[in-house]
Amino acid sequence: GEDVEQSLFLSVREGDSSVINCTYTDSSSTYLYWYKQEPGAGLQLLTYIFSNMDMKQDQRLTVLLNKKDKHLSLRIADTQTGDSAIYFCAESIQDTDKLIFGTGTRLQVFP
Amino acid sequence: NAGVMQNPRHLVRRRGQEARLRCSPMKGHSHVYWYRQLPEEGLKFMVYLQKENIIDESGMPKERFSAEFPKEGPSILRIQQVVRGDSAAYFCASSPGAQAEAFFGQGTRLTVV
Repeated sequence: GEDVEQSLFLSVREGDSSVINCTYTDSSSTYLYWYKQEPGAGLQLLTYIFSNMDMKQDQRLTVLLNKKDKHLSLRIADTQTGDSAIYFCAESIQDTDKLIFGTGTRLQVFP
Repeated sequence: NAGVMQNPRHLVRRRGQEARLRCSPMKGHSHVYWYRQLPEEGLKFMVYLQKENIIDESGMPKERFSAEFPKEGPSILRIQQVVRGDSAAYFCASSPGAQAEAFFGQGTRLTVV
């Protein structure tokens, strides 16, 4: 079946790096995504990675994909208080157009 | 180019009433997706529509829920005879085509009292 899991909470000090992890079960994923949700707001697409890649970097964001272990991570360098939000990983399944979301990781950045 | 517009942003309904949630996709987008987010949970896929067609409704509850995307006008998610368990945030996303990036709206927060 399709299942995406994330740890629920992460707390980091401002200026440190944050690493948010995600595991998924469906090996036919085509794209894997990271979304950010601030309180009371919709979802903002941060970055995505194609399933045949193992790394993607975009400014402060680095995505690592271990397809063998079905493990995805998002690293945020120099974390700021404005990065405090819930982060969702999601996978798109081959031949469908729906996204399967994880439960979200609440990132709290303290001074 | 306005983003995906959902209205209302907040909706309160009494048990047994009907809820109608609207979603106007981005200009040029003909694919619409509805997701539901229960409190403290991730988003769950409900339905995927193209103009006048339901493509995938595998996530829709079997009763009381329906969705449409007419040739003209917004997509509508309709919940009949709402119950407390329907209280959630309902998000709409649109894309210009299959397997393309989907953009999300701000969501409609439904509260059933």
